[in-house]
Amino acid sequence: GAGVSQSPSNKVTEKGKDVELRCDPISGHTALYWYRQSLGQGLEFLIYFQGNSAPDKSGLPSDRFSAERTGGSVSTLTIQRTQQEDSAVYLCASSLAQGQTDTQYFGPGTRLTVL
Amino acid sequence: GDSVTQMEGPVTLSEEAFLTINCTYTATGYPSLFWYVQYPGEGLQLLLKATKADDKGSNKGFEATYRKETTSFHLEKGSVQVSDSAVYFCALKKGSARQLTFGSGTQLTVLP
Repeated sequence: GAGVSQSPSNKVTEKGKDVELRCDPISGHTALYWYRQSLGQGLEFLIYFQGNSAPDKSGLPSDRFSAERTGGSVSTLTIQRTQQEDSAVYLCASSLAQGQTDTQYFGPGTRLTVL
Repeated sequence: GDSVTQMEGPVTLSEEAFLTINCTYTATGYPSLFWYVQYPGEGLQLLLKATKADDKGSNKGFEATYRKETTSFHLEKGSVQVSDSAVYFCALKKGSARQLTFGSGTQLTVLP
């Protein structure tokens, strides 16, 4: 079946512009995660959605970052007024939310470059 | 807080060599442990996992055993192939947390 998909695969933007990154999770997966992979920081958790519950935003690095998940499926990560330090690969993952043994399935990522 | 420490890379081996990538963790309680692999140009894929002490995860010839006494989850493979060249990430997840905590990743290159 289809895995997690993300778009665009690459995004180049100018400093100060806003960007939107999209994630389509695996059908039936109620949990959705965003992570950031950067050279200096490794893989960092950003935000988590589970069903209709309020999202866990504890990993968002600043108030320029926000995310939403519409209809319990597709999610959009928005970065406002991008900075060069936002350059990274943004990864989305989804899972069945089965607790500690839960397996997260990752998308191919969006590589963001801020000039 | 919880953390994962991985063997520093990069690691370069010849085909058919034995592979060990060390992973140790710091966490309270009994986390689940995972190895993910990222092939060039691709996303993270789950390689194997173990959910309790002494469990052995295995897949594609790779193995890792959850050692509670040494807080370790070392990845091993008896005979690596060129196609195993990738970045390997060790990760943990505790029941109280939603997200995975990752190690820094180990780049493996296998030469023919």
